[in-house]
Amino acid sequence: AQRVTQPEKLLSVFKGAPVELKCNYSYSGSPELFWYVQYSRQRLQLLLRHISRESIKGFTADLNKGETSFHLKKPFAQEEDSAMYYCALGAYGNNRLAFGKGNQVVVIP
Amino acid sequence: DAGVTQSPTHLIKTRGQQVTLRCSPKSGHDTVSWYQQALGQGPQFIFQYYEEEERQRGNFPDRFSGHQFPNYSSELNVNALLLGDSALYLCASSLGNAGGSPLHFGNGTRLTVT
Repeated sequence: AQRVTQPEKLLSVFKGAPVELKCNYSYSGSPELFWYVQYSRQRLQLLLRHISRESIKGFTADLNKGETSFHLKKPFAQEEDSAMYYCALGAYGNNRLAFGKGNQVVVIP
Repeated sequence: DAGVTQSPTHLIKTRGQQVTLRCSPKSGHDTVSWYQQALGQGPQFIFQYYEEEERQRGNFPDRFSGHQFPNYSSELNVNALLLGDSALYLCASSLGNAGGSPLHFGNGTRLTVT
């Protein structure tokens, strides 16, 4: 079974402060990890995926198979980063995803 | 490109009734997945359609069924509605069902069962 845990429901940070959203997963096979974001009144959209190994909007995430984690990080939060963030787990070669419960990020000006 | 479109946006039904939700995938996509998102929860996988067949199914009862048409659009049907079926239903499309193609989500249909 695939399981994703996002421990903090709400994260408030000041503008310019670092942001880290934790994501741990449970899966016995070869995982594919994603972060999806939902801005206010917008649809859920892909932020980044581990196989791309790229930085999107200043966010990065590294897959740590030893710790089964895929934490999302940004060194300096911006007001436009306020959104709901979901970590998602898929199996390699399969785009069925298991989502975590999400993190609400509020960036305080 | 209109992206993934879902209809209706909101729906109110009574317990025991049946409901049909509709989804048109993003242009060029051939695979449609349905997710249920209860309040305060992440999306939960219901099933996936590819080449007009159900290819994968999550832990949902048979009351939940679907269909995919030759133009790749899809329907989600729920019979004998329960109060617990109240949720946001998301449709996501992709190119192929074998991974590699990110999911593109619609805005969802908000279903309320009274």
